[in-house]
Amino acid sequence: ETGVTQTPRHLVMGMTNKKSLKCEQHLGHNAMYWYKQSAKKPLELMFVYSLEERVENNSVPSRFSPECPNSSHLFLHLHTLQPEDSALYLCASSQERPPHEQFFGPGTRLTVL
Amino acid sequence: ELKVEQNPLFLSMQEGKNYTIYCNYSTTSDRLYWYRQDPGKSLESLFVLLSNGAVKQEGRLMASLDTKARLSTLHITAAVHDLSATYFCAVRGDTPLVFGKGTRLSVIA
Repeated sequence: ETGVTQTPRHLVMGMTNKKSLKCEQHLGHNAMYWYKQSAKKPLELMFVYSLEERVENNSVPSRFSPECPNSSHLFLHLHTLQPEDSALYLCASSQERPPHEQFFGPGTRLTVL
Repeated sequence: ELKVEQNPLFLSMQEGKNYTIYCNYSTTSDRLYWYRQDPGKSLESLFVLLSNGAVKQEGRLMASLDTKARLSTLHITAAVHDLSATYFCAVRGDTPLVFGKGTRLSVIA
């Protein structure tokens, strides 16, 4: 039990679908992150939220839309995705003070048909 | 821009042998992290290194940090099959963590 949960664990969607990924952390952290992990690239940071405000968006396409309603919950809304978006999406959380150690959720394996 | 390089990217080693994974980074930082990932699983935090000369050990794994050389090492002692996994180093600079590509370790009998 890492203290960070993600749902669903697996998701298959068509390119015209709209779906959302959910992340919840039970560690009392105040920063949350979305990462993309695919076979072709190293772990890529997508979004960072600190104290519920988005502080970094690493040039992610607009078909990915994050939402952070409070410090414990993080969503990633997906629409009109492409097959190359198929990947493992990992959520992480940390404190916004040293040591900034990030704890990861189990991930959502996304397949876009 | 902070860049993190690990080597080797693939490592096959025999049980009982010792080996070292290297992590180099391009800009000044004194915060380095090691993670382990099993196939199909998430990342598990192994070590947090927060100062020059920091050394941490857990079982057969030992990590160290040399901030002047911008180098961290993960040393494996007397490898066992259970250590087979992908190991990532990550460095915190002005932005949140930048990860290396990972070292895929296979321990064979």
